Amino acid sequence: GQNIDQPTEMTATEGAIVQINCTYQTSGFNGLFWYQQHAGEAPTFLSYNVLDGLEEKGRFSSFLSRSKGYSYLLLKELQMKDSASYLCAVRGSYSGAGSYQLTFGKGTKLSVIP
Amino acid sequence: DSGVTQTPKHLITATGQRVTLRCSPRSGDLSVYWYQQSLDQGLQFLIQYYNGEERAKGNILERFSAQQFPDLHSELNLSSLELGDSALYFCASSEAGLSYEQYFGPGTRLTVT
Repeated sequence: GQNIDQPTEMTATEGAIVQINCTYQTSGFNGLFWYQQHAGEAPTFLSYNVLDGLEEKGRFSSFLSRSKGYSYLLLKELQMKDSASYLCAVRGSYSGAGSYQLTFGKGTKLSVIP
Repeated sequence: DSGVTQTPKHLITATGQRVTLRCSPRSGDLSVYWYQQSLDQGLQFLIQYYNGEERAKGNILERFSAQQFPDLHSELNLSSLELGDSALYFCASSEAGLSYEQYFGPGTRLTVT
């Protein structure tokens, strides 16, 4: 089975740095994704980690520790438009033809305040 | 714009009815995934098709079914609708093989009254 935990809500100030944590327990692991989702809109891809360590992409960075079942998304220089839900998703077992199943956490709703 | 299209954008129907949601994947993508997102459950994987064949099943109810057609578009059929089926339904697509990213469509908001 798959179990993914992340905080329900967080608040941070414009210009600051925020870290959103995700812990997972899964029966198979083939990578961890972070998606951003604004209210009522589709999730959009932010980052992907399959090996331990930090992946940096502009203002966003994502870290993975496979031995600890732990990841975080780091957002720097926060902007008002970063107010959204951030979804942690684990790619599990291979389901054939290069396809995998993604299991999502319930998401962390980030509010950026002036 | 992800390149994935879904119709309709909104759907309001009564309990007990049946609806069909439609999805067209990005050009060249062979895999289609369906997800349900409700306020309390988050994004739940329902089912995946690859080149017309079912590949993986998640938390899909027996009242729900899907198919992928030769032109690769997919339909999700929801029948005997209940109030609890009210949710956002997303379709996503991905390439086969080495690609790891799923591209999500704009979703269909279903309201069952």
